[in-house]
Amino acid sequence: QSALTQPPSASGSPGQSVTISCTGTSSDVGGYNYVSWYQQHPGKAPKVMIYEVSKRPSGVPDRFSGSKSGNTASLTVSGLQAEDEADYYCSSYAGSNNFVFGSGTKVTVL
Amino acid sequence: EEQLAESGGALVQPGGSLRLSCAASGFTFSNYAMNWVRQAPGKGLEWVSAIGGRGTSTYYADSVKGRFTISRDNSMNMVYLQMNTLRAEDTAVYYCAKEVQWPRGRFDPWGQGTLVTVSS
Repeated sequence: QSALTQPPSASGSPGQSVTISCTGTSSDVGGYNYVSWYQQHPGKAPKVMIYEVSKRPSGVPDRFSGSKSGNTASLTVSGLQAEDEADYYCSSYAGSNNFVFGSGTKVTVL
Repeated sequence: EEQLAESGGALVQPGGSLRLSCAASGFTFSNYAMNWVRQAPGKGLEWVSAIGGRGTSTYYADSVKGRFTISRDNSMNMVYLQMNTLRAEDTAVYYCAKEVQWPRGRFDPWGQGTLVTVSS
């Protein structure tokens, strides 16, 4: 199972928006509405920010939103704040009781 | 508060074995599938294995199938990962994570991770 494709990096100034893409295939991202997004700060464990494409767990700011079109999912962070600087990973159910993660995107707040 | 705590990481020689443990607290452990996810140094996340709430269903990534075995003890709120025939490419931080509703892929929470280094 190949990793989902994410851009290595993305950046924006405080208050701006940044969108990260996550491209898979019809066997994973395109085949199921089970895409999640994780935020990981250096040396820390990942934290779920979005699940089932666009749902936000309680406690996650509504600045974080998710969507999907075909085989590509997207995470948008609006109103960027300094604490949003982190690595972001998408994941998707890939059928046959397997999961696949994305390659990761480093978000920099300029 | 839901918490997970991994242990058991160590330096091991290629071909060796190691068992990782994950202690859970703050939720009804037997109601949830549990997962292991790893992260090689400086690299991305890789899903490794999962086990159903009752422990009768187990799943593995192709990269570890036949070498790793996941198990759980619901009386102790523990999940384990037995790793055999270890290779250099198994070097990683290993996280355990609760699956909120299998197989929807919402891993929450995660433990702090335990480092496995495979090297001679």
